[in-house]
Amino acid sequence: DVKVTQSSRYLVKRTGEKVFLECVQDMDHENMFWYRQDPGLGLRLIYFSYDVKMKEKGDIPEGYSVSREKKERFSLILESASTNQTSMYLCASSLYSGTSGRDTQYFGPGTRLTVL
Amino acid sequence: AQSVSQHNHHVILSEAASLELGCNYSYGGTVNLFWYVQYPGQHLQLLLKYFSGDPLVKGIKGFEAEFIKSKFSFNLRKPSVQWSDTAEYFCAVNAAGNNRKLIWGLGTSLAVNP
Repeated sequence: DVKVTQSSRYLVKRTGEKVFLECVQDMDHENMFWYRQDPGLGLRLIYFSYDVKMKEKGDIPEGYSVSREKKERFSLILESASTNQTSMYLCASSLYSGTSGRDTQYFGPGTRLTVL
Repeated sequence: AQSVSQHNHHVILSEAASLELGCNYSYGGTVNLFWYVQYPGQHLQLLLKYFSGDPLVKGIKGFEAEFIKSKFSFNLRKPSVQWSDTAEYFCAVNAAGNNRKLIWGLGTSLAVNP
């Protein structure tokens, strides 16, 4: 089974702090994703990565950055946390299946971040 | 732009009732379709997927979905729900030839009363 782990289930930070969220997958997947999940807004893509050191902005990248130095690890960084970044953050990974678009995403348990 | 709409945001059913959750997408080409489920306190997991072939696909826990190309729909069904089906359900689409991302619906929250 694919396993996607996230460094913390719950995190509380203060406004202005730099926050790191870590995600690790154990299935050698090329693609990794960071989403945030908010009630009524579904899943919104922040960033994704399709290879080591490669990244693309998603729908809501403002206030976030990412790092992928190793294939299995994808980090989300909040440069200066703000209260409107309080949310559930989900990491996912998928195996690239080519242009068929049949990549199935596998999710981690999520990190509930509260910014005070 | 491609989009996915889920018609019902909140659904409340009694046990043994039948379930149908609507999902429509806007894309004219070949698509790959997914339903994911998130049980309370658990991670998002794949319920079922459709790539090609028989438009009626079966997933875990007795769920099925039907792809109707002419209606751009991929509705999720279960003949008889259980209290344990209480969860949030998300429909997602990936267009073939597209990049590696999924386009997500906003989700439907299902509450099943015992």
